[in-house]
This record gives sequence, structure tokens and C-alpha cells, in this order.
Amino acid sequence: GDSVTQMEGPVTLSEEAFLTINCTYTATGYPSLFWYVQYPGEGLQLLLKATKADDKGSNKGFEATYRKETTSFHLEKGSVQVSDSAVYFCALSELDTGNQFYFGTGTSLTVIP
Amino acid sequence: DTAVSQTPKYLVTQMGNDKSIKCEQNLGHDTMYWYKQDSKKFLKIMFSYNNKELIINETVPNRFSPKSPDKAHLNLHINSLELGDSAVYFCASTQGNPPWNEQFFGPGTRLTVL
Repeated sequence: GDSVTQMEGPVTLSEEAFLTINCTYTATGYPSLFWYVQYPGEGLQLLLKATKADDKGSNKGFEATYRKETTSFHLEKGSVQVSDSAVYFCALSELDTGNQFYFGTGTSLTVIP
Repeated sequence: DTAVSQTPKYLVTQMGNDKSIKCEQNLGHDTMYWYKQDSKKFLKIMFSYNNKELIINETVPNRFSPKSPDKAHLNLHINSLELGDSAVYFCASTQGNPPWNEQFFGPGTRLTVL
């Protein structure tokens, strides 16, 4: 079945450091891939998405590239800020599973000044 | 203009009580979900409704029952609450097709069972 695996947290970085959060997936068909962010006390918000192989999603300085050959969708940001402190979820969905979403376990990021 | 709203935001109750959480979306979506998020932030899907029909029912105790009066609303009723039901419950919605449409989440309801 479909699944998403993302790196364990928590991750603690200093401001302006480079961020990578790894995400790999297993899917039977051709999924769409997403990164969601959850700020403290809030619901999940879409951060970026990619719908086909080699697509790059980007938003707020974050980027992720849909790599079919490695079944990966790693999240990156060149210079993190304190305001990026949140929990990040990788997710996939595909038509074959009735648009059911599969979420990773979440990675908590804390950025310190 | 709140896209997905939930009430109440906080719910504190005693074991054994029955409670409901309401969810409404004004996005015109045809699919709505309920998720449970535990203290470790793990998200578990509980139910999905598409055009008022249940299409996913994961291994959730039958004390939990979703009710959808129309496609803009999906309420969650919980009977005989237990300590282990304490969690944050999120409602979400999406357009059923195409699959690349993201899910939109509500702000969550923090349920505490004493």
C-alpha cells in the first residue's frame, strides 16, 4: 500500500542554517506530493506541492523536487528563520486510492536565534 | 473568510460523557475528513465523506460516529468518552477530483478527557 516515510525529529538549527527534511514514499501509481506545515496551536497548512516527476514545488523560500527515480520529495531551505519553527508533514495522494491522503509522521523543527 | 471552521476549539469533559465536534467548510468541496492527532503529532485518518457518503472508515471504535447533514458539514459524535480519546481532532476538506488538489484543514479541536 501507499506510505510516506520522513526523517525523525526533532531538528534544532541555528538561524540562517540550511535545512533538509528527508521524505520518501511508496505508491502504486503516480501520486501527487505535498509538504504541509503546522505552526504551534494551529491546523496544517499547505506549504508546497508537486504533481508529477521532476516538478519542483516552492513557497516561502522552501523547495522540494519530485524525484521518481529515488521516490523522494525532500524539503529544503537555504536559510531558516525563527519563524520557521513548526512541524512539517510530507504527504501523498493518488487517484487509485480515491484521493486518500497519506501523511508522514511529522518532523518538528526548532530554529534558535 | 474562514475556509474550514471547527467548534469548539477546546473541549474538556469527564470520562463517560458524550460530546460532538462540528465542522463546516465554505469551499464547495465534496470530500471531508476527520483526523486525530496524538501528543506526538502523529496524524491518523478517522473518516472520510464524499458527497455525504462514507468512503473511508479506518479502525476507529464505533463510539465515534460521523454525521454529514450536507456536503458542507461533517460533525463528529463521540459516545462514552475515554481517557485515550484525548487528542486534537482536525477536520479537513478537498475536492474529490483531480487528486492533485490539496486538503484544507480546520484549526483543530483539543479534546481533554478527565
